[in-house]
Amino acid sequence: EVKLVESGGGLVQPGRSLKLSCAASGFNFNDYWMGWVRQAPGKGLEWIGEINKDSSTINYTPSLKDKFTISRDNAQNTLYLQMSKLGSEDTAIYYCARAPGLRVPYYFDYWGQGVMVTVSS
Amino acid sequence: DIVLTQSPATLSVTPGESVSLSCRASQGISTSIHWYQQKSNESPRLLIKFASQSISGIPSRFSGSGSGTDFTLSINRVESEDFSVYYCQQSYSLPNTFGAGTKLELK
Repeated sequence: EVKLVESGGGLVQPGRSLKLSCAASGFNFNDYWMGWVRQAPGKGLEWIGEINKDSSTINYTPSLKDKFTISRDNAQNTLYLQMSKLGSEDTAIYYCARAPGLRVPYYFDYWGQGVMVTVSS
Repeated sequence: DIVLTQSPATLSVTPGESVSLSCRASQGISTSIHWYQQKSNESPRLLIKFASQSISGIPSRFSGSGSGTDFTLSINRVESEDFSVYYCQQSYSLPNTFGAGTKLELK
């Protein structure tokens, strides 16, 4: 069974940093692109970015490129999202998701349960 | 960025009705559109890939169509478990983007 479990969320002060993790199991992590999507309270889905199998290609939505860093550790079957200079606009549920595709990912076929990040003083 | 416009924002229906949800892209994207369902307090679930390709485990009442700029998600005879929010997503160009969603609610 494919399983994605996010962790590392919580309450963080404005301007601070936070690192989220996503533990993957039930599939060969090395064979898949992975991505992050977020959802502000009561709002729609926002694509954050994606990383390929060997971390040689990482794509971000332009507005978050200078704040967020996506990485992965294939030995640990874990995806990461490093977030810096957090503001209230970053308050959201953060989802990790698996993206099938050889050279290019297309859609997300499995999603984690999400982790809440609240930015507030 | 490619903008996806979903309409209507809210659709009120009774169980048994058949419905069509629209997703329009700001430029041509071939069939690089995918549909997700998100129930309240749950993660999104993939329903349809590449505009019309079915997904294993998804009920056959869900179908998709379209190409270019206009896409449709159809639900044949809505069931009570279908009341959710539906999102389209494009993978034609970076950054990938989602539509704002259509909420399917009980009339």
